[in-house]
Amino acid sequence: DGGITQSPKYLFRKEGQNVTLSCEQNLNHDAMYWYRQDPGQGLRLIYYSQIVNDFQKGDIAEGYSVSREKKESFPLTVTSAQKNPTAFYLCASSMGPQFEAFFGQGTRLTVV
Amino acid sequence: AQKVTQAQTEISVVEKEDVTLDCVYETRDTTYYLFWYKQPPSGELVFLIRRNSFDEQNEISGRYSWNFQKSTSSFNFTITASQVVDSAVYFCALSFTGGGNKLTFGTGTQLKVEL
Repeated sequence: DGGITQSPKYLFRKEGQNVTLSCEQNLNHDAMYWYRQDPGQGLRLIYYSQIVNDFQKGDIAEGYSVSREKKESFPLTVTSAQKNPTAFYLCASSMGPQFEAFFGQGTRLTVV
Repeated sequence: AQKVTQAQTEISVVEKEDVTLDCVYETRDTTYYLFWYKQPPSGELVFLIRRNSFDEQNEISGRYSWNFQKSTSSFNFTITASQVVDSAVYFCALSFTGGGNKLTFGTGTQLKVEL
């Protein structure tokens, strides 16, 4: 079935460690997105990509990095520079701005 | 810059009541797209509707209806005869063709429907 797969669903890491969240889609979508969700803050855009080997910073990119080496993959690395990384992370993809985005099931990251 | 405002943080209603969720947007572009998504407790967002800036027709889908008014930059969502299964967080979102596929969400409205 076509869709977006995020893994893992739950992730625990020690403070100061980098961690990479996986996002894979088989919908043949050009655009991919990473959002962070905190209680009462809605979805805040971290990074987005329109095409392979190209990506742009969103509203809260500091402390995060991404890559887009393949159309179907858009991994997000949460670096030790991110001051408060504990959150729910959602990955999405779409055919373009005029089309709806499809979301993964999310990864809940807890840093202890 | 584009922005989406959902002023209602949380709404509680009794089953069978009608409820309207407000969405106000800001954009300088003349071509843009508005969306509503539902986020149930499982966490995955579910797409509900899309509307482009040139189509101000209201839409009805079962118990759901949407009112798009460019004059007030609003795209409100009404649930008629609410049910417990409607309990979720609802998000309004905005994108535009000049934004490089940037998709901006509001802060969401938590809807609680009680028996």
